[in-house]
Amino acid sequence: AQSVTQLDSHVSVSEGTPVLLRCNYSSSYSPSLFWYVQHPNKGLQLLLKYTSAATLVKGINGFEAEFKKSETSFHLTKPSAHMSDAAEYFCVVSDTSGTYKYIFGTGTRLKVLA
Amino acid sequence: NAGVTQTPKFQVLKTGQSMTLQCAQDMNHNSMYWYRQDPGMGLRLIYYSASEGTTDKGEVPNGYNVSRLNKREFSLRLESAAPSQTSVYFCASNYPARGGEQYFGPGTRLTVT
Repeated sequence: AQSVTQLDSHVSVSEGTPVLLRCNYSSSYSPSLFWYVQHPNKGLQLLLKYTSAATLVKGINGFEAEFKKSETSFHLTKPSAHMSDAAEYFCVVSDTSGTYKYIFGTGTRLKVLA
Repeated sequence: NAGVTQTPKFQVLKTGQSMTLQCAQDMNHNSMYWYRQDPGMGLRLIYYSASEGTTDKGEVPNGYNVSRLNKREFSLRLESAAPSQTSVYFCASNYPARGGEQYFGPGTRLTVT
């Protein structure tokens, strides 16, 4: 069965410094992986996805993630945090049994300090 | 193109009352999903519909029923609301394929007193 673990429930960074949000996954097959962002009182927006093409995936708003099979990781990074990046971020693995259901991580709340 | 829409946006119920959350998508997606979001728990799947005419239980189906009315619409019903069902509910849709991203509605915030 697939599962995903977000290693930090809260991350604080200063504006202009790098962002690292960590995600480990478990999957019997080659997974599809996603990062979504949720701003306060809003719905979820897709940042980026990995589907077995390039291991370094670029997304919107300067975010990127690297798929590392040997480490079963899919960490989200951004070189320079902006105040508008403050939000909750979810790592998601897609079920590969044929239903393609999502399995969500518990989320990481990113705080950006001025 | 409205994407995924949900009604209502907010609702307060008393214990034992019933209500239906509505969801519609205009992207011609085959699959639709209902999730609940609780603090510290991410989103958990309540029910899903892989295609028109089919529905299946997700991780937390107890206390809920669903109806896939047609390809566009997927409703979630609480027959007898309980305080444990206080949550934010999200509907989503996609083409069920490898890498098929889900598109989410804006959510319904439900409080059961």
